[in-house]
Amino acid sequence: AQSVTQLDSHVSVSEGTPVLLRCNYSSSYSPSLFWYVQHPNKGLQLLLKYTSAATLVKGINGFEAEFKKSETSFHLTKPSAHMSDAAEYFCVVSPASGGSYIPTFGRGTSLIVHP
Amino acid sequence: DAMVIQNPRYQVTQFGKPVTLSCSQTLNHNVMYWYQQKSSQAPKLLFHYYDKDFNNEADTPDNFQSRRPNTSFCFLDIRSPGLGDAAMYLCATSRALAGVREQFFGPGTRLTVL
Repeated sequence: AQSVTQLDSHVSVSEGTPVLLRCNYSSSYSPSLFWYVQHPNKGLQLLLKYTSAATLVKGINGFEAEFKKSETSFHLTKPSAHMSDAAEYFCVVSPASGGSYIPTFGRGTSLIVHP
Repeated sequence: DAMVIQNPRYQVTQFGKPVTLSCSQTLNHNVMYWYQQKSSQAPKLLFHYYDKDFNNEADTPDNFQSRRPNTSFCFLDIRSPGLGDAAMYLCATSRALAGVREQFFGPGTRLTVL
């Protein structure tokens, strides 16, 4: 079984300040973890993925996430927010092996960036 | 570039009038998914295919059907759309290999029901 909890439904930051979007997961096996971004009326775009090769994962657009097994967390960060980062962000956990191909989505976090 | 394509991007239908949404992929992935996404919500899985094996989620209404005639194409049929079916419909693909099963998403089809 697997589950994902995105701790904040909305995060509001000023342009140029750091971004932290929080995600906790549970999984009965070694999971794959993903962050996706969705701009209005668009599909989901992969920001980054955890593959078990490295606990600190760098993604596109300056985002990164750190996998912490002891805390079952995979928080998304960016040092300096840009107006174009305003979007919906989804944390996703997926089985890395086995017969299930069904990922589990978090409820999403809406990132608001103020000028 | 390899990609997932959805047509049309915007679809308007009338209450009760059948509608078909299409998805195609050039990634040669063997797993395809259909999601329904309503405003400010996470995508909700309707069904998925592993090759031609069809898997229906338990709470997917009977009003929703799907077809996958070959690896590249997948269709979502809504037999009698209701006002509550207005949503964004997302198609996604992934490879059924051990390791990172990343999903690749299409741009979505926005369905309006009048």
